Amino acid sequence: NAGVTQTPKFQVLKTGQSMTLQCAQDMNHNSMYWYRQDPGMGLRLIYYSASEGTTDKGEVPNGYNVSRLNKREFSLRLESAAPSQTSVYFCASTYHRDRTTFGLREQYFGPGTRLTVT
Amino acid sequence: RKEVEQDPGPFNVPEGATVAFNCTYSNSASQSFFWYRQDCRKEPKLLMSVYSSGNEDGRFTAQLNRASQYISLLIRDSKLSDSATYLCVVNMMAGSNYQLIWGAGTKLIIKP
Repeated sequence: NAGVTQTPKFQVLKTGQSMTLQCAQDMNHNSMYWYRQDPGMGLRLIYYSASEGTTDKGEVPNGYNVSRLNKREFSLRLESAAPSQTSVYFCASTYHRDRTTFGLREQYFGPGTRLTVT
Repeated sequence: RKEVEQDPGPFNVPEGATVAFNCTYSNSASQSFFWYRQDCRKEPKLLMSVYSSGNEDGRFTAQLNRASQYISLLIRDSKLSDSATYLCVVNMMAGSNYQLIWGAGTKLIIKP
């Protein structure tokens, strides 16, 4: 099993450019997440998808959109990149039995995408 | 007050020593607690879940103190390979769902 995979690993964008970060998991998890990590700060949730067909905003959703393409894949799109979006982006997945256990279990992470916006 | 707080360190510790650090959380209704380890420029990986009764995994011991709202991580006989950033994670209600809230991490450097 590959676990959680992310592409690309590195990306440099100019202000105003757009791009999509791809994430896929092969662990049959139903929940997937996008985080950003900035120096000196904890991981901050951008968007999450509790199950196929649903997406919800996290703590810092502005400037981002997501698509839960199927159970395996969850993409993050930056429509018009800004320097404030320079960060390391992690995708994660987990399994939750039902709504009452959502957010209570270990998350498995991809290797991250290092994004620089100039 | 931050929802989950950690001393950022770095903790500089000689090899073989015992080191402990805490993580405080603000929501008394939190149910799940975890310690993750993150190596430099890598993704976080689960180190231990933290149970109410405390739990031990080899050289690592995690404790939960609900009255004072903190969790702790103790590392005995520290190894050079223990050098990493340790992230505390706590679940909290966000709307009608639980979410995991991440601390900023404690950096540990083990010196030979």
